[in-house]
Amino acid sequence: ETGVTQSPTHLIKTRGQQVTLRCSSQSGHNTVSWYQQALGQGPQFIFQYYREEENGRGNFPPRFSGLQFPNYSSELNVNALELDDSALYLCASSRPGVGYGYTFGSGTRLTVV
Amino acid sequence: SQELEQSPQSLIVQEGKNLTINCTSSKTLYGLYWYKQKYGEGLIFLMMLQKGGEEKSHEKITAKLDEKKQQSSLHITASQPSHAGIYLCGAGYYGNNRLAFGKGNQVVVIP
Repeated sequence: ETGVTQSPTHLIKTRGQQVTLRCSSQSGHNTVSWYQQALGQGPQFIFQYYREEENGRGNFPPRFSGLQFPNYSSELNVNALELDDSALYLCASSRPGVGYGYTFGSGTRLTVV
Repeated sequence: SQELEQSPQSLIVQEGKNLTINCTSSKTLYGLYWYKQKYGEGLIFLMMLQKGGEEKSHEKITAKLDEKKQQSSLHITASQPSHAGIYLCGAGYYGNNRLAFGKGNQVVVIP
């Protein structure tokens, strides 16, 4: 079975620009969560998608938005980029409900200059 | 305040020695997940614990969850250079569908 795939692996954006990050979930997983990990910190929950709808959101502003597609892949969009948005963005897929593990992708390293 | 506290923040061990790292939750959790991360890379799943008092082992790594489901430890026996990295604990809590993470334990193994 394939794991979680994220693209791109790295990118550099200018403050004020918009960015789209992509994630393909593991086979059999229909729930996708996005996390932001700043340097030296643990991952922080951004939001989760289940059946193409947002299913929980962390403490992030509305300029962080997402989509989930019928094939369970997902996108994270960030508008009006700020310097503090520089981080590793991680996608995790899982089966719905408690008790199932979360499989993480390798992440996208975003640098905002 | 941080829901999950990991200790020690970092430790250096000599190859072949044992080590233990800890993860403490401020409230009862339904599931505790241990992940390993190399610098700047994704999270590699190690183990998931759900039952109070549960203990799981894989190769030289053993993880335990206390009876109250608020504290977990991860023990590595006879550490090797391949054990170096950042160990993250993540917890699922009743009533929400996210994982909360600690800041991680950085492990360095020296020859």
